[in-house]
Amino acid sequence: SAVISQKPSRDICQRGTSLTIQCQVDSQVTMMFWYRQQPGQSLTLIATANQGSEATYESGFVIDKFPISRPNLTFSTLTVSNMSPEDSSIYLCSVLSTGRSEQYFGPGTRLTVT
Amino acid sequence: GNSVTQMEGPVTLSEEAFLTINCTYTATGYPSLFWYVQYPGEGLQLLLKATKADDKGSNKGFEATYRKETTSFHLEKGSVQVSDSAVYFCALSLYQAGTALIFGKGTTLSVSS
Repeated sequence: SAVISQKPSRDICQRGTSLTIQCQVDSQVTMMFWYRQQPGQSLTLIATANQGSEATYESGFVIDKFPISRPNLTFSTLTVSNMSPEDSSIYLCSVLSTGRSEQYFGPGTRLTVT
Repeated sequence: GNSVTQMEGPVTLSEEAFLTINCTYTATGYPSLFWYVQYPGEGLQLLLKATKADDKGSNKGFEATYRKETTSFHLEKGSVQVSDSAVYFCALSLYQAGTALIFGKGTTLSVSS
């Protein structure tokens, strides 16, 4: 399975600021995704990060709030913009490799907004 | 729409007890099915998977069989250990829907010695 790292692992931010989360994979992957896990809840897909083009967002998530980049096949960033306490969550990236059905997840970024 | 329904938790068992966590799904196509596990303070790990009807996924003593007729993928283990205490998520993906995962709400398992 791919080895996935995320930075930062955790952060405490003030409302109104922005945080960029990085996801790095040790091999080229077909697809990368960003999920949110709110406290005590399940995972919800934010968007699919498309290499070389705009991300595909799920209902309820917009590019202005969660801009995503994917400049190559091993790296992606998610920015949480103009944060409010409701954005306090764990943000996880996941990857899907060509010919595989299962996704593998990074360790997550635990964000607290005060 | 596509969705996953898991039994409500928490599930509390004694060591060596038999475990079943129910999972049913609704899908517009032919999904792949997964169980993921999240140990306390850790990330999400793939536990097992099944990609077509009647497939059985297994790992670490856990098993789940893809039942198309009942749209189910129940997780079972014959003898749980304290180290199995975690949150278990059932999930599906559909190639036609972009292959992103749709998760159930998760079931917390607590095993005592």
